[in-house]
Amino acid sequence: TAGITQAPTSQILAAGRSMTLRCTQDMRHNAMYWYRQDLGLGLRLIHYSNTAGTTGKGEVPDGYSVSRANTDDFPLTLASAVPSQTSVYFCASKEASGGANEQFFGPGTRLTVL
Amino acid sequence: GQNIDQPTEMTATEGAIVQINCTYQTSGFNGLFWYQQHAGEAPTFLSYNVLDGLEEKGRFSSFLSRSKGYSYLLLKELQMKDSASYLCAPLDSNYQLIWGAGTKLIIKP
Repeated sequence: TAGITQAPTSQILAAGRSMTLRCTQDMRHNAMYWYRQDLGLGLRLIHYSNTAGTTGKGEVPDGYSVSRANTDDFPLTLASAVPSQTSVYFCASKEASGGANEQFFGPGTRLTVL
Repeated sequence: GQNIDQPTEMTATEGAIVQINCTYQTSGFNGLFWYQQHAGEAPTFLSYNVLDGLEEKGRFSSFLSRSKGYSYLLLKELQMKDSASYLCAPLDSNYQLIWGAGTKLIIKP
């Protein structure tokens, strides 16, 4: 079982360009999450989805959008990238949003915005 | 507000024992997770506590005191592969994880 996959692994992006980070899970988990991780800071939640067809804003949603058309996929889009969005992005999923079950993480996407 | 405090960095010797402390303040509480994250990799689940007391899992144990807003992760018989960051993450009233910045553990031979 692959678990969670993310693409691309890394990317250098010019400021002002748009980009979509892809995330796919094959565990049939209902809840999915996007985090960014910056040096010296904890993981910060960008957006989340409790179930297919619904999304919500996390702690740092500005400049990002998400969609959840089906259970497996949860893409994150940067409409017009800025240098402050340089970070490592992790997608995660868990079986149910309202439970205390663990979150599983994808391998991450390292994004540099110049 | 919500706040997590962990030491930024700790150093220990191979074969020894180390305790990583975490204090937290959250809006509601539904348990606390510990994750391990090796450099350049994704976090992986280590333990979950919801009741007060010690949970033991092999070389790793995790303790929780809800009244004190305190948890620790105890690592025994340290191995070089335990060099990693350890992330404390309580689950708030909305079942969202609140992440600490992590403790970087350096193991020396």
